[in-house]
Amino acid sequence: GAVVSQHPSWVICKSGTSVKIECRSLDFQATTMFWYRQFPKQSLMLMATSNEGSKATYEQGVEKDKFLINHASLTLSTLTVTSAHPEDSSFYICSAMTGLSTDTQYFGPGTRLTVL
Amino acid sequence: AQSVAQPEDQVNVAEGNPLTVKCTYSVSGNPYLFWYVQYPNRGLQFLLKYITGDNLVKGSYGFEAEFNKSQTSFHLKKPSALVSDSALYFCAALDQAGTALIFGKGTTLSVSS
Repeated sequence: GAVVSQHPSWVICKSGTSVKIECRSLDFQATTMFWYRQFPKQSLMLMATSNEGSKATYEQGVEKDKFLINHASLTLSTLTVTSAHPEDSSFYICSAMTGLSTDTQYFGPGTRLTVL
Repeated sequence: AQSVAQPEDQVNVAEGNPLTVKCTYSVSGNPYLFWYVQYPNRGLQFLLKYITGDNLVKGSYGFEAEFNKSQTSFHLKKPSALVSDSALYFCAALDQAGTALIFGKGTTLSVSS
């Protein structure tokens, strides 16, 4: 149980284009989902927290107009990187928290974004 | 400020030997502590957590962790390491609000055969 998927697992795009990454909780309803960014050999940096049906809460320094987060249902959150640039290249990981357990986050497999 | 520290960038151990990956924390209130493992190009897998109760917490794949309040530590342990345990390990704590995870920088575990 508590499986989280991400799609796509790897995406390459041209500079200036927008990329959408999906995060789905497959066997539970996720009241809260999180988006992280991870640089090579570094820890995870929380980008934003999203609750179903409400606006995401962004961490300091994260541009909300650049990283659009939508949590339209209890099983799906999307992260759209708008007008992507090479410096946005990174590993993006989502996690989800079930309504039953408000302390444990279950992580998706991650999406590697490469912007040319 | 709340923080999680993993003092070792890398831990090397021979297969069959016991392993310890260290973690110390600085959080307000009662700590909620976690260990996650990450394999290359993969997301994080939950290993175990401490919320309350016994100081020795048992988790997945034979791992356990010992909570020590006086030393503010939560070291990850395994009695007999496997080559397949080689991965990146993250210690984490819930922040004061109880929603966001604060991660340590990670420790690479390398188990040699």
